[in-house]
Amino acid sequence: GAGVSQSPSNKVTEKGKDVELRCDPISGHTALYWYRQSLGQGLEFLIYFQGNSAPDKSGLPSDRFSAERTGGSVSTLTIQRTQQEDSAVYLCASSLEMLTDTEAFFGQGTRLTVV
Amino acid sequence: RKEVEQDPGPFNVPEGATVAFNCTYSNSASQSFFWYRQDCRKEPKLLMSVYSSGNEDGRFTAQLNRASQYISLLIRDSKLSDSATYLCVVSLYSSASKIIFGSGTRLSIRP
Repeated sequence: GAGVSQSPSNKVTEKGKDVELRCDPISGHTALYWYRQSLGQGLEFLIYFQGNSAPDKSGLPSDRFSAERTGGSVSTLTIQRTQQEDSAVYLCASSLEMLTDTEAFFGQGTRLTVV
Repeated sequence: RKEVEQDPGPFNVPEGATVAFNCTYSNSASQSFFWYRQDCRKEPKLLMSVYSSGNEDGRFTAQLNRASQYISLLIRDSKLSDSATYLCVVSLYSSASKIIFGSGTRLSIRP
C-alpha cells in the first residue's frame, strides 16, 4: 500500500535485550517522526528526521535509544538493554516538507512489551 | 511548560450534545494547526486543519485565536462514533518544519 508501514506490529522481548523497530515512510516524504504512546497516555515525541538535516533527538529518553534513517527513507529505532518502562506503542509518522499544510501520516505502530 | 497543552478529559456527554475542546500553544511562531483523531488502539488520523479564518466540516468547527494562542474544536450533534481522543497539533517552521502533538482530550459519547 501507499501508507506508512511499521514492523513488527507486535514485539515481546525480555528485559535487557535489544530491539529494532522499523518504519517505511510514504515515498517522497522527507520528514519522519518517531513517537511513543504508553497505555492511556498521549504521544511522546522521540526523534525527528528532516531530509539531510541533522536529526532532532531531543525527545529520546536515554542513551539506550537511538535511531537512524538510511537513504532518506527507511528508519530504524533501536532500544538497547530494554527495560519494562520501555513497554509502549511506538508510532512512526511521515510528512511532506511544506511551508503551511503539513499533514502527518501515521503507521499502525509497534506494540512493544518488555517482560 | 508544554509546547502544546490540552485538557486530558475525559469528557462524557450524551448523544446529540455539543462539546468543545480548547488547546493552547506556547510558541507564537507556530504556523499551522490541526486536529487529529485517535480511536482506541489505532493510529492518529487527520480530522481537520485549522485556518485563521476558522473552518467548518459538517458537524465539526475549528477556530484559531493567534492573539491568545489557542485553537478550539466544536462538535455539534455528537454521535456515538465521535467517541475518541482528539489531539491538538501545531506545526513550527524555522529551519525545517516540526509537528508537535498535544497529549489529547478523551471524548466519550453516551447513548
